[in-house]
Amino acid sequence: GEDVEQSLFLSVREGDSSVINCTYTDSSSTYLYWYKQEPGAGLQLLTYIFSNMDMKQDQRLTVLLNKKDKHLSLRIADTQTGDSAIYFCAEIRNTPLVFGKGTRLSVIA
Amino acid sequence: NAGVTQTPKFQVLKTGQSMTLQCAQDMNHEYMSWYRQDPGMGLRLIHYSVGAGITDQGEVPNGYNVSRSTTEDFPLRLLSAAPSQTSVYFCASSRAVQETQYFGPGTRLLVL
Repeated sequence: GEDVEQSLFLSVREGDSSVINCTYTDSSSTYLYWYKQEPGAGLQLLTYIFSNMDMKQDQRLTVLLNKKDKHLSLRIADTQTGDSAIYFCAEIRNTPLVFGKGTRLSVIA
Repeated sequence: NAGVTQTPKFQVLKTGQSMTLQCAQDMNHEYMSWYRQDPGMGLRLIHYSVGAGITDQGEVPNGYNVSRSTTEDFPLRLLSAAPSQTSVYFCASSRAVQETQYFGPGTRLLVL
C-alpha cells in the first residue's frame, strides 16, 4: 500500500517550537496518532486525533489535521531537550496501524 | 497493571536456530500485534490477532508464526532464524483494532 510520509530529521533550538509534518494516505482513516520513541525504548502514545476534528491541543502539544490534503502535523511548544526522540505518525486503515518512518527530532541547547 | 510485557529483552541467535519471542498483556485487550523496527524503515506489521484463536498476516509475515490461545499471550516464533531477521521487535495491544495501541519495551534480536 501507499506509505505514510514524514520528513526524517528536524533540528530545533531549545525553547523554540517544533513542527513535525506527516502525510497520510487513507481518507477513511478514523484515528490518526502521534507516538514518541526515546532511544532504546518502546513507543509511547503522545496524542491522537479523531478524523472529524481539525485541531487538538494538549498542554504543549497541538495537532492539526487537514483532511482535504491528508496532512497531519504535531507542534511542540517551548521544545525541551527531553523532547529529543523519534516521532511517528500512524493511521488506522482497515486493519492495524500503519506507521510513517519517523522523524528524528534533535533539540539543541 | 504491568501493561504489555516482552521477553527476552535481548537475544543472539545463530542462523537456522528457532526461538519464541514472548508477549503478554494484562489489560484484557482483544487486539494484539507484532511489529519489527529496522533503521530507516519505521515499524512494519508482522502478524496480528483480533482475539483468541484468530490471527492474520501483516506486511512482512514470512519466516514468522504466531498463535493466540489465550487473550493475554501472543508469542512470535522464528522457525529458522536468518540474518535478515536481525531487528527490534515490538508487541502491541489495544481494546480493539481502531483504538489506541500500547507497546511493549521491545526485544532486540541479533542473528549471526
